[in-house]
Amino acid sequence: AQSVAQPEDQVNVAEGNPLTVKCTYSVSGNPYLFWYVQYPNRGLQFLLKYITGDNLVKGSYGFEAEFNKSQTSFHLKKPSALVSDSALYFCAVRDGNTGFQKLVFGTGTRLLVSP
Amino acid sequence: SQTIHQWPATLVQPVGSPLSLECTVEGTSNPNLYWYRQAAGRGLQLLFYSVGIGQISSEVPQNLSASRPQDRQFILSSKKLLLSDSGFYLCAWRPPVRNTEAFFGQGTRLTVV
Repeated sequence: AQSVAQPEDQVNVAEGNPLTVKCTYSVSGNPYLFWYVQYPNRGLQFLLKYITGDNLVKGSYGFEAEFNKSQTSFHLKKPSALVSDSALYFCAVRDGNTGFQKLVFGTGTRLLVSP
Repeated sequence: SQTIHQWPATLVQPVGSPLSLECTVEGTSNPNLYWYRQAAGRGLQLLFYSVGIGQISSEVPQNLSASRPQDRQFILSSKKLLLSDSGFYLCAWRPPVRNTEAFFGQGTRLTVV
């Protein structure tokens, strides 16, 4: 069964500094990986995905993520954080081989960007 | 373009009462559909997913059930609500092809009192 771990409950960063939100995954087949953001009392918004190809994927709002197969990681990054980036971030995985319908999320990481 | 509708946005129900939350998708055919629950503003727990009419996969044994009576309609139900059923319920869909992401509705905040 696939699973996702987000080891940090919260990440604090000052505006203008780079940010990283960590994610590791476990699947038996090829991983399809996703990042979503959630603002209070709202649904999840898609940021970016890795399916295959280049290990560095770029997404919405200046975010990017790096796929590392040997470390089974898919960390979310942004070169310069904004206060408006403060939100709850979720990593998700789907098994590209066997159970490709099932999408499993991590527990979420709260990002707090201070002015 | 495709859209997902989820209602109601908020709901307060007494313990022991029934529940019916509805989710519909427009502008697509044969979507994969999902119900998630988010407790205390954190992790998302996959409750049910469906790849077609009448096809429901249950992830967690619990007080809830799901049905898909039409291709783009997904319903979450309970016969008797428990206090522990309180939470934020999210419906999502994605096209039935491998490389696609899921799209979420705006959620229903359920409070069982």
